[in-house]
Amino acid sequence: GAGVSQSPSNKVTEKGKDVELRCDPISGHTALYWYRQSLGQGLEFLIYFQGNSAPDKSGLPSDRFSAERTGGSVSTLTIQRTQQEDSAVYLCASSLGTGGNTIYFGEGSWLTVV
Amino acid sequence: AQSVTQLDSQVPVFEEAPVELRCNYSSSVSVYLFWYVQYPNQGLQLLLKYLSGSTLVKGINGFEAEFNKSQTSFHLRKPSVHISDTAEYFCAVSEGGATNKLIFGTGTLLAVQP
Repeated sequence: GAGVSQSPSNKVTEKGKDVELRCDPISGHTALYWYRQSLGQGLEFLIYFQGNSAPDKSGLPSDRFSAERTGGSVSTLTIQRTQQEDSAVYLCASSLGTGGNTIYFGEGSWLTVV
Repeated sequence: AQSVTQLDSQVPVFEEAPVELRCNYSSSVSVYLFWYVQYPNQGLQLLLKYLSGSTLVKGINGFEAEFNKSQTSFHLRKPSVHISDTAEYFCAVSEGGATNKLIFGTGTLLAVQP
């Protein structure tokens, strides 16, 4: 596709429910990243994929958060048993590779936990 | 560990005036440096990046930044701002390497007034 595509753009969920956020990276980009943007916390790195494997998942805040990537393309970020502090914008990004390659961001999925 | 400091959370400036947004970083190794812009309700867009070579980097929309290794700074400048430059600006650092993940500063809101 032309850019990084994320869905849903907005999601309101009840506390305790599970949510899935989807990311479609730019075609051919092998590297994929998830970030979280929230008031007071800024932009936080969550996880990095190279192909289908995740060599760096150091930013995942708890074991309620998980992510997978299939076919070296689409990625899903899953948050189990959501809490109000999970409310944030979840940004997906992709790049051709590492070594300073430009990282392109999607417009994000705005998650509100009520 | 890397870190990025953006000293100003908000910079008000009048239209057609010059502006400088400050960014300092900390890292024990050589880094790549980036400036991203985020317009309201949009994703992050790359303004410019420094990988190596000339320390003065020119980007889109008339912005430029200068890498200063001795002062560990990468300040963003524009000689004459427009109303349309009103946005949040994020400085980021990457050590490249295996993940190329970006570590972001907390952002500076550039508020251009007529």
